[in-house]
This record gives sequence, C-alpha cells and structure tokens, in this order.
Amino acid sequence: EADIYQTPRYLVIGTGKKITLECSQTMGHDKMYWYQQDPGMELHLIHYSYGVNSTEKGDLSSESTVSRIRTEHFPLTLESARPSHTSQYLCASSDPGTGPHNEQFFGPGTRLTVL
Amino acid sequence: AQSVTQLGSHVSVSEGALVLLRCNYSSSVPPYLFWYVQYPNQGLQLLLKYTSAATLVKGINGFEAEFKKSETSFHLTKPSAHMSDAAEYFCAVSARSSYKLIFGSGTRLLVRP
Repeated sequence: EADIYQTPRYLVIGTGKKITLECSQTMGHDKMYWYQQDPGMELHLIHYSYGVNSTEKGDLSSESTVSRIRTEHFPLTLESARPSHTSQYLCASSDPGTGPHNEQFFGPGTRLTVL
Repeated sequence: AQSVTQLGSHVSVSEGALVLLRCNYSSSVPPYLFWYVQYPNQGLQLLLKYTSAATLVKGINGFEAEFKKSETSFHLTKPSAHMSDAAEYFCAVSARSSYKLIFGSGTRLLVRP
C-alpha cells in the first residue's frame, strides 16, 4: 500500500544532541515537504524538495537542514537541538503530475521535545 | 501574497446539527483551495479541494464547500454532525504558480452528544 512514513513518532532528547527525523514515501512522488506545527497552531513550511538533489528553504526560518539523495527519502536534521525546537514536524509529498492543485499526502508526524 | 483566515479557533455543535467552518482567503487571482482534517496524533487528510471547476465541491465524510469569489470565501459545511467529526480542520490555499500550501490557523470542531 502506498504511504508516507515518519520515524520516530515521539522523541524526547536533551539540549545539544544531534537528531535526524526520517520521512519516506512509497508513492514515487517527486515533491516533498517538511512543516513545523506548534500545538493548536497552523502549519509552517520549513523545507521543500522538487526532486533528487533539490532542496529549498520554506517560508519559516529553521535551523534544521534536509537532504534528498533518493526520491523516496527526505530526512530532516538538527545538528544541536534546543528547547525552542520543541514542536511537531510533519512530512508531506505530492504527485509529480500536472499542477499545484495536486493533493499533498501527509505522514503521521514526529512530536519532538527538547529538554 | 496569499493568506488564509479561519474565523473561530473552536466551534462546538451538537450531534446532528449543521457544521459550518469559515475560511476566507486573500489572493490577487483565484487560487486553489483545500480543506484538510487532522485527528489527534495524526497527520493531515484531504477532505476536499477547489480547482476552478464546479464552485460547490463535495468531499469525503459528507463534507462540502462552496467557492464564492465575490466573498473570497471557501466555507466548509456538513448537514449533520457526527461524533467522529471531532477534529482539527485546516483551510489552505495554493497559488496557481506554486506547489506550496499556505495554511490557516485551524478550527477545532467539538461535537456534543
């Protein structure tokens, strides 16, 4: 079954640790996205990719970085986590089809807590 | 620049009552519009989308939305609320030249027995 996966679902870590949030999709989508969502708030785009070796920063500034070495994989890395990074991170992908009206498919999210 | 405004961070209805969640957008040209639903501890799921075909759009779970250009609105409705409709609902807009989505701040729907 085609889907989009995120691991871990929940992560509690100490300040200064390096972390990588994993995102994989099995739908062959070229376009992938990372959103940050604080509780009860809207989603903010922090990174996106339109294909392999293509990454761009989103509308909300973030200290995280991303890579896109394979079509199906779009990991997000924080080199040194801080309490201000505490949030939910949602990964999404969209069909490589004909236009921006295509649906974005979302993963279940990773809830990150930095102590 | 595009933006989305969702009026009411919380909406409470009785089971069986009409659901109305409001969304207004700001765009210089008619955009693409979306409604997503988010259940607790889950990602977002598409309810419906407007892509300039019919102005009345029907989605999943009995929801529908009407695109009104004169009012720059895309309100979400359901004739009869069910307990399982309790969730967070997000309106989103996408420019015709961009794949990026701009989300509203969300409306939490509470359904009373």
